[in-house]
Amino acid sequence: RKEVEQDPGPFNVPEGATVAFNCTYSNSASQSFFWYRQDCRKEPKLLMSVYSSGNEDGRFTAQLNRASQYISLLIRDSKLSDSATYLCVVNKRDSSYKLIFGSGTRLLVRP
Amino acid sequence: ETGVTQSPTHLIKTRGQQVTLRCSSQSGHNTVSWYQQALGQGPQFIFQYYREEENGRGNFPPRFSGLQFPNYSSELNVNALELDDSALYLCAAKGGGSGANVLTFGAGSRLTVL
Repeated sequence: RKEVEQDPGPFNVPEGATVAFNCTYSNSASQSFFWYRQDCRKEPKLLMSVYSSGNEDGRFTAQLNRASQYISLLIRDSKLSDSATYLCVVNKRDSSYKLIFGSGTRLLVRP
Repeated sequence: ETGVTQSPTHLIKTRGQQVTLRCSSQSGHNTVSWYQQALGQGPQFIFQYYREEENGRGNFPPRFSGLQFPNYSSELNVNALELDDSALYLCAAKGGGSGANVLTFGAGSRLTVL
């Protein structure tokens, strides 16, 4: 079983739609949580950190449920430019700063 | 401009050869890590260097090795290349100051092994 599992996708949605991505992680020692965005043939870029209280950044809302070891990302009013792969990422604090990535969920926003 | 630069951007090798990938980062990025991203997968942690010493390693064989230099640049070396080593290799840097816990990725080196 992978340490971080995500919806397989792809999600194909019209502009303006609301879309939600889910992610589960297996290691209860995980302490930091993130969503990264990766455009085709580019490097991953941090979209937002995820906090236990939930957090919002414009059209993006992230939620964390530590008891269920579940992370979500909600995108409202989807734009064409949101088309990308969204990577769920966790970090377990130890001697190294090691990020564990999910396989990613691909989002296609159509006109 | 992310402050992390990788070279080469693309390269093709044959099975059994050796490859060296390079990464340079701006001053203050005292921690560098390398990730391998196979097609359709998320990046996988190879190892991390802090102050020129390896301080964390993922599930990769010893033929994957690295170095970090005093100027914060880094190398990833892979010996005896296998077809499955074909992937995007990402260097990520992290450092002190206000960005202490921010991991910045380079654009990657895309390796194809034939």
